[in-house]
Amino acid sequence: AQSVTQPDIHITVSEGASLELRCNYSYGATPYLFWYVQSPGQGLQLLLKYFSGDTLVQGIKGFEAEFKRSQSSFNLRKPSVHWSDAAEYFCAVGRLFKTIFGAGTRLFVKA
Amino acid sequence: DAGVTQSPTHLIKTRGQQVTLRCSPKSGHDTVSWYQQALGQGPQFIFQYYEEEERQRGNFPDRFSGHQFPNYSSELNVNALLLGDSALYLCASSQWVVNEQYFGPGTRLTVT
Repeated sequence: AQSVTQPDIHITVSEGASLELRCNYSYGATPYLFWYVQSPGQGLQLLLKYFSGDTLVQGIKGFEAEFKRSQSSFNLRKPSVHWSDAAEYFCAVGRLFKTIFGAGTRLFVKA
Repeated sequence: DAGVTQSPTHLIKTRGQQVTLRCSPKSGHDTVSWYQQALGQGPQFIFQYYEEEERQRGNFPDRFSGHQFPNYSSELNVNALLLGDSALYLCASSQWVVNEQYFGPGTRLTVT
């Protein structure tokens, strides 16, 4: 079965500290992988995507993610978190017709 | 260039009623997908429309139906509303077989 697991329901990070959000997936074929961010009451904004090639992908707002096929993981990282990064983050996997989302990780940023 | 737009922003309906939500895709996009996002959960795929046909469907009952118009805009219809249908309904547009979706702000549906 196809699924996406985000093990951390919420994470609190100090402003300026580094961040890593975990994502594991189960998918029969080589997947397309995505990270989205959602601010309260808003739609989803695409942070970055992986289709093929270099397994370290750069996205917007200083985020990056690394695809590890052997671990079926696609973790999101940021070297220095800003207060404006506080939001809900969703990992997603899909190919062609539909995208499967994880349950999300809520990021809190403390001053 | 306007992104994906959805209307209405909020909606309150009573159990048993019917509702129609609307979506206009981003300019240049021809494919529209609909998602349901319950509180505290990730979006769940409902269905996808391309060339005015439903191309793929998620695990949702037939009470959920849709339509795509020649200008690529789309409607989501839900009949016989249940309390459990209360959610944020997201529309996403893309170009056919291009795996990059742009999401609208959503329609918050409350069923009482």
